Amino acid sequence: ETGVTQTPRHLVMGMTNKKSLKCEQHLGHNAMYWYKQSAKKPLELMFVYSLEERVENNSVPSRFSPECPNSSHLFLHLHTLQPEDSALYLCASSLIGQGEAFFGQGTRLTVV
Amino acid sequence: AQKITQTQPGMFVQEKEAVTLDCTYDTSDPSYGLFWYKQPSSGEMIFLIYQGSYDQQNATEGRYSLNFQKARKSANLVISASQLGDSAMYFCAMRAVGAQKLVFGQGTRLTINP
Repeated sequence: ETGVTQTPRHLVMGMTNKKSLKCEQHLGHNAMYWYKQSAKKPLELMFVYSLEERVENNSVPSRFSPECPNSSHLFLHLHTLQPEDSALYLCASSLIGQGEAFFGQGTRLTVV
Repeated sequence: AQKITQTQPGMFVQEKEAVTLDCTYDTSDPSYGLFWYKQPSSGEMIFLIYQGSYDQQNATEGRYSLNFQKARKSANLVISASQLGDSAMYFCAMRAVGAQKLVFGQGTRLTINP
Protein backbone atom coordinates (compact mmCIF):
# COMPACT_ATOMS: atom_id res chain seq x y z
CA GLU A 1 0.00 0.00 0.00
CA THR A 2 1.74 3.14 -1.22
CA GLY A 3 -0.91 5.68 -0.32
CA VAL A 4 -1.92 6.22 -3.95
CA THR A 5 -5.19 4.58 -4.96
CA GLN A 6 -6.38 4.10 -8.51
CA THR A 7 -9.83 3.03 -9.64
CA PRO A 8 -10.90 1.03 -11.45
CA ARG A 9 -8.18 -1.62 -11.50
CA HIS A 10 -9.44 -3.04 -14.79
CA LEU A 11 -11.51 -1.42 -17.52
CA VAL A 12 -12.78 -2.68 -20.85
CA MET A 13 -14.34 -0.09 -23.08
CA GLY A 14 -15.54 0.25 -26.63
CA MET A 15 -14.14 2.83 -28.98
CA THR A 16 -17.25 4.97 -28.69
CA ASN A 17 -17.46 4.92 -24.89
CA LYS A 18 -16.57 7.64 -22.43
CA LYS A 19 -14.95 6.64 -19.17
CA SER A 20 -12.79 8.16 -16.46
CA LEU A 21 -9.85 6.89 -14.46
CA LYS A 22 -9.50 8.14 -10.91
CA CYS A 23 -6.42 8.61 -8.75
CA GLU A 24 -6.36 9.66 -5.10
CA GLN A 25 -3.49 10.35 -2.73
CA HIS A 26 -3.44 11.49 0.88
CA LEU A 27 0.31 11.75 1.29
CA GLY A 28 0.41 15.53 1.31
CA HIS A 29 2.04 15.58 -2.12
CA ASN A 30 1.63 18.56 -4.42
CA ALA A 31 2.54 17.02 -7.77
CA MET A 32 0.63 14.29 -9.60
CA TYR A 33 1.38 12.38 -12.79
CA TRP A 34 -0.20 10.12 -15.37
CA TYR A 35 2.01 7.52 -17.04
CA LYS A 36 1.16 5.06 -19.79
CA GLN A 37 2.86 1.65 -19.84
CA SER A 38 2.47 -0.37 -23.01
CA ALA A 39 3.91 -3.81 -23.57
CA LYS A 40 7.63 -3.77 -24.33
CA LYS A 41 7.89 0.01 -24.11
CA PRO A 42 9.29 2.28 -21.38
CA LEU A 43 6.90 4.18 -19.20
CA GLU A 44 5.63 7.21 -21.06
CA LEU A 45 4.90 10.35 -19.09
CA MET A 46 1.56 11.75 -20.22
CA PHE A 47 0.72 14.64 -17.90
CA VAL A 48 2.17 16.41 -14.88
CA TYR A 49 0.21 18.54 -12.46
CA SER A 50 2.03 20.79 -10.02
CA LEU A 51 -0.08 22.60 -7.41
CA GLU A 52 -3.16 21.60 -9.41
CA GLU A 53 -1.86 23.27 -12.55
CA ARG A 54 -0.91 21.25 -15.61
CA VAL A 55 2.77 21.84 -16.23
CA GLU A 56 3.50 19.16 -18.80
CA ASN A 57 1.58 17.57 -21.63
CA ASN A 58 3.74 15.21 -23.64
CA SER A 59 1.99 15.38 -27.00
CA VAL A 60 -0.87 13.29 -25.76
CA PRO A 61 -3.88 13.00 -28.12
CA SER A 62 -6.92 15.02 -27.16
CA ARG A 63 -8.96 11.86 -26.60
CA PHE A 64 -7.16 11.81 -23.22
CA SER A 65 -8.25 14.69 -21.01
CA PRO A 66 -6.77 15.10 -17.52
CA GLU A 67 -8.37 16.92 -14.62
CA CYS A 68 -6.92 17.85 -11.24
CA PRO A 69 -9.64 19.39 -9.08
CA ASN A 70 -7.45 19.50 -5.96
CA SER A 71 -4.06 18.31 -4.80
CA SER A 72 -5.42 14.93 -3.68
CA HIS A 73 -7.31 13.88 -6.79
CA LEU A 74 -6.43 13.35 -10.42
CA PHE A 75 -8.65 12.10 -13.21
CA LEU A 76 -8.05 10.95 -16.75
CA HIS A 77 -11.14 11.28 -18.92
CA LEU A 78 -11.22 8.96 -21.91
CA HIS A 79 -13.32 9.24 -25.07
CA THR A 80 -13.26 7.67 -28.52
CA LEU A 81 -10.15 5.67 -27.74
CA GLN A 82 -8.35 3.38 -30.17
CA PRO A 83 -7.26 -0.22 -29.64
CA GLU A 84 -3.62 0.93 -29.47
CA ASP A 85 -4.53 2.90 -26.34
CA SER A 86 -4.86 -0.40 -24.47
CA ALA A 87 -2.21 -0.27 -21.75
CA LEU A 88 -1.57 0.01 -18.03
CA TYR A 89 -2.20 3.57 -16.86
CA LEU A 90 -0.26 4.50 -13.76
CA CYS A 91 -0.85 7.47 -11.50
CA ALA A 92 1.90 8.81 -9.25
CA SER A 93 2.41 11.62 -6.78
CA SER A 94 5.37 13.33 -5.18
CA LEU A 95 6.52 16.54 -3.59
CA ILE A 96 7.36 19.06 -6.28
CA GLY A 97 10.83 18.44 -7.67
CA GLN A 98 12.06 16.26 -4.84
CA GLY A 99 11.91 12.80 -3.41
CA GLU A 100 10.59 9.64 -4.88
CA ALA A 101 7.28 9.33 -6.66
CA PHE A 102 4.71 7.00 -5.17
CA PHE A 103 2.66 5.02 -7.64
CA GLY A 104 -0.78 3.52 -7.60
CA GLN A 105 -1.46 -0.03 -8.72
CA GLY A 106 -2.58 1.13 -12.12
CA THR A 107 -5.65 0.70 -14.28
CA ARG A 108 -5.34 -1.95 -16.95
CA LEU A 109 -7.31 -0.59 -19.87
CA THR A 110 -8.47 -2.64 -22.83
CA VAL A 111 -10.10 -0.90 -25.78
CA VAL A 112 -12.20 -3.16 -27.97
CA ALA B 1 17.46 15.76 -22.45
CA GLN B 2 17.72 12.91 -20.02
CA LYS B 3 18.03 9.28 -20.98
CA ILE B 4 18.14 6.05 -19.00
CA THR B 5 19.46 2.83 -20.51
CA GLN B 6 18.95 -0.64 -19.07
CA THR B 7 20.73 -3.12 -21.31
CA GLN B 8 19.49 -6.34 -19.73
CA PRO B 9 15.97 -7.19 -20.91
CA GLY B 10 15.92 -10.28 -18.72
CA MET B 11 18.00 -11.97 -16.03
CA PHE B 12 17.76 -15.36 -14.40
CA VAL B 13 19.37 -15.86 -11.00
CA GLN B 14 19.47 -18.70 -8.52
CA GLU B 15 17.82 -18.07 -5.17
CA LYS B 16 20.15 -16.69 -2.47
CA GLU B 17 22.65 -15.40 -5.02
CA ALA B 18 23.43 -11.71 -5.39
CA VAL B 19 22.33 -9.97 -8.58
CA THR B 20 23.37 -6.73 -10.24
CA LEU B 21 20.98 -4.88 -12.52
CA ASP B 22 22.67 -2.39 -14.84
CA CYS B 23 21.62 1.21 -15.40
CA THR B 24 23.42 3.94 -17.28
CA TYR B 25 22.16 7.45 -17.73
CA ASP B 26 22.80 10.58 -19.69
CA THR B 27 22.02 14.10 -18.56
CA SER B 28 23.36 17.62 -18.75
CA ASP B 29 21.79 18.60 -15.44
CA PRO B 30 24.35 19.25 -12.69
CA SER B 31 22.11 17.96 -9.92
CA TYR B 32 19.85 14.96 -10.23
CA GLY B 33 18.47 11.98 -8.41
CA LEU B 34 18.48 8.34 -9.43
CA PHE B 35 15.75 5.92 -8.42
CA TRP B 36 15.06 2.22 -8.66
CA TYR B 37 11.55 0.79 -8.73
CA LYS B 38 10.22 -2.78 -8.63
CA GLN B 39 7.09 -3.73 -10.54
CA PRO B 40 5.59 -7.12 -9.67
CA SER B 41 2.99 -8.72 -11.88
CA SER B 42 0.27 -6.86 -9.97
CA GLY B 43 1.38 -3.68 -11.75
CA GLU B 44 2.22 -1.38 -8.87
CA MET B 45 5.56 0.44 -9.04
CA ILE B 46 7.31 0.06 -5.70
CA PHE B 47 10.07 2.50 -4.78
CA LEU B 48 13.26 0.73 -3.68
CA ILE B 49 16.17 3.12 -3.35
CA TYR B 50 17.36 6.65 -4.12
CA GLN B 51 20.80 8.13 -4.87
CA GLY B 52 21.49 11.85 -5.13
CA SER B 53 24.13 12.96 -7.59
CA TYR B 54 26.10 14.73 -4.87
CA ASP B 55 25.83 11.97 -2.29
CA GLN B 56 29.29 10.84 -1.30
CA GLN B 57 28.27 7.36 -0.28
CA ASN B 58 26.38 4.69 -2.15
CA ALA B 59 22.80 4.32 -0.99
CA THR B 60 21.70 1.18 0.83
CA GLU B 61 18.25 -0.03 1.90
CA GLY B 62 18.19 -3.46 3.47
CA ARG B 63 19.14 -5.99 0.79
CA TYR B 64 19.28 -3.27 -1.86
CA SER B 65 22.33 -1.17 -2.58
CA LEU B 66 23.13 1.19 -5.38
CA ASN B 67 26.56 1.07 -7.00
CA PHE B 68 26.86 4.69 -8.10
CA GLN B 69 29.75 5.58 -10.40
CA LYS B 70 29.23 9.20 -11.37
CA ALA B 71 32.12 9.46 -13.81
CA ARG B 72 30.82 6.46 -15.71
CA LYS B 73 27.21 7.65 -15.37
CA SER B 74 26.08 4.34 -14.01
CA ALA B 75 23.76 3.49 -11.13
CA ASN B 76 23.55 -0.26 -10.86
CA LEU B 77 21.20 -1.92 -8.38
CA VAL B 78 22.61 -4.76 -6.32
CA ILE B 79 20.26 -7.17 -4.58
CA SER B 80 21.95 -9.39 -2.05
CA ALA B 81 20.69 -12.84 -1.06
CA SER B 82 17.95 -12.91 -3.67
CA GLN B 83 14.54 -14.33 -2.80
CA LEU B 84 11.75 -15.81 -4.92
CA GLY B 85 9.68 -12.71 -4.17
CA ASP B 86 12.28 -10.56 -5.92
CA SER B 87 11.03 -11.83 -9.28
CA ALA B 88 9.64 -8.74 -11.01
CA MET B 89 10.39 -5.97 -13.48
CA TYR B 90 12.94 -3.47 -12.24
CA PHE B 91 13.11 0.08 -13.52
CA CYS B 92 15.85 2.66 -13.18
CA ALA B 93 14.73 6.30 -13.30
CA MET B 94 16.14 9.77 -12.90
CA ARG B 95 14.95 13.30 -12.28
CA ALA B 96 16.79 16.60 -12.31
CA VAL B 97 16.62 18.40 -8.98
CA GLY B 98 13.72 20.81 -9.04
CA ALA B 99 12.17 19.23 -12.12
CA GLN B 100 8.91 17.34 -12.20
CA LYS B 101 9.65 14.81 -14.89
CA LEU B 102 10.79 11.34 -13.84
CA VAL B 103 12.40 9.53 -16.78
CA PHE B 104 12.41 5.74 -16.82
CA GLY B 105 14.52 3.11 -18.51
CA GLN B 106 13.11 0.15 -20.43
CA GLY B 107 13.28 -2.14 -17.43
CA THR B 108 14.85 -5.53 -16.65
CA ARG B 109 12.77 -8.60 -15.93
CA LEU B 110 14.39 -10.50 -13.08
CA THR B 111 13.48 -14.12 -12.45
CA ILE B 112 14.68 -15.87 -9.31
CA ASN B 113 14.87 -19.64 -9.65
CA PRO B 114 14.47 -21.96 -6.63
